[in-house]
Parts: sequence; structure tokens; C-alpha cells
Amino acid sequence: EVQLVESGGDLVQPGGSLRLSCAASGFTFSSYSMNWVRQAPGKGLEWVSYIGTSSTTIYYADSVKGRFTISRDDAKNSLFLQVHSLTAEDTAVYYCARSTDLSEYHYFYMDVWGKGTTVTVSS
Amino acid sequence: SSELTQDPAVSVALGQTVRITCQGDSLRSYYTTWYQQKPGQAPVLVIYGKNNRPSGIPDRFSGSSSGNTASLTITGAQAEDEADYYCNSRDNSGNHLVIFGGGTKVTVL
Repeated sequence: EVQLVESGGDLVQPGGSLRLSCAASGFTFSSYSMNWVRQAPGKGLEWVSYIGTSSTTIYYADSVKGRFTISRDDAKNSLFLQVHSLTAEDTAVYYCARSTDLSEYHYFYMDVWGKGTTVTVSS
Repeated sequence: SSELTQDPAVSVALGQTVRITCQGDSLRSYYTTWYQQKPGQAPVLVIYGKNNRPSGIPDRFSGSSSGNTASLTITGAQAEDEADYYCNSRDNSGNHLVIFGGGTKVTVL
């Protein structure tokens, strides 16, 4: 079964840090680009970061650039998001999602999602 | 960066047809992807590419596009289709960002 399972979410004080993880199974992880997408309580989906295969390309939303770092370990079928300098605006459910990115054909979609891990930033 | 604009909410009578729209300049360059999200659940891919449905998505869901506007149509809406729907594409401004619409809440009456 194709599956993504996030972990690492927690209650953290403003200014704090966390490392989110996403364990992939049921597919060849190294062959896919991956993303982090978040959803604040009662709000819509917000894309956070993208990492291509072999970590060759990495992109961040402006709202997290300089504070968040995405990485992957293909040997361990794992995706990570290191988050620093957290504020209340970072409170959200964080999803990892597998993507198919075929820019030359004008396709981009995320076809497998995890159930999410919750980050709460509060004093 | 580009934006994708969706109507916040629409309603449809059971068994009728509803169309959800998404507008944005990036849709001139990229196919629109559509996701369904029910309360407390992760998003689910329903339409990608020109008009492709992943395995398991009913054929009452279809997608279309013209210029800077994309549409998701549910033909014969069912009670289980009540959910939030989000459009998505890549930003076409050259910065490789990924963008979502604000979401449309579909209520089946």
C-alpha cells in the first residue's frame, strides 16, 4: 500500500524549533519529488516547500524562506522539514505529499498525502 | 507571485450538477489540479492534467479549462461529495512556487 506517515509535530513556544518527518512506503521514494503543505486551523491549504528527486531542486514559500529547511534521505525513504523561529502563524497541520512534476507537459499534481502532523506554536 | 481565486462556497441539490471555478494567470501555463478535502481528513486528488481522474474517483467528477479559468464539475452530486475543493497549479512567474486557491465549500442540499 502506498503510504506517507508524518511525525514530529508538537506544542512549541514562539521562537522554537522542530523537525518534522515523513516516512514513505509502498513506492519507489527516490523517484518522486515531495512537498510539505500546511493548513492552519479553519483555513485553506498552503504549500510550504518542494524537493525534487536527488534533492536537485528545492523551493520554499516566501512565508517560510530562511526559517524552514526541507531535506530527504532516499536510503531511509524519508522526508524532513526542519523548522526554526516559529511563530503563531506557523500553527497548522503539516502534510507531506508526493508529487508528479512534468513542467515540460505543464503538469504538477500531488497524488499521495499523509494524514498530517500538528504543530502548535503557543506560550 | 500568482494567485488562484475560487468562490468561497456553492450549494447544489442532491443529484444535480455543480461547477466550481478557479481563476488565475498561471492556469494559462499549467493544467489545474483539483483536490477534495473532507473535515478532519487529508486532501484527496480528484482531477489532474487535461481531465484525468485517479483510480477510485467517480466519473461524475470532470475538469475543464479555458484561458485563465478552470472548472471542476460534479455531475449528479451525491451527499458524500460535500467537502472543500481546492485548485492548484505551479506559479508561472518563473519562481517555481506551488499555489493553491482559497478553496470552495460545496454543500449538497
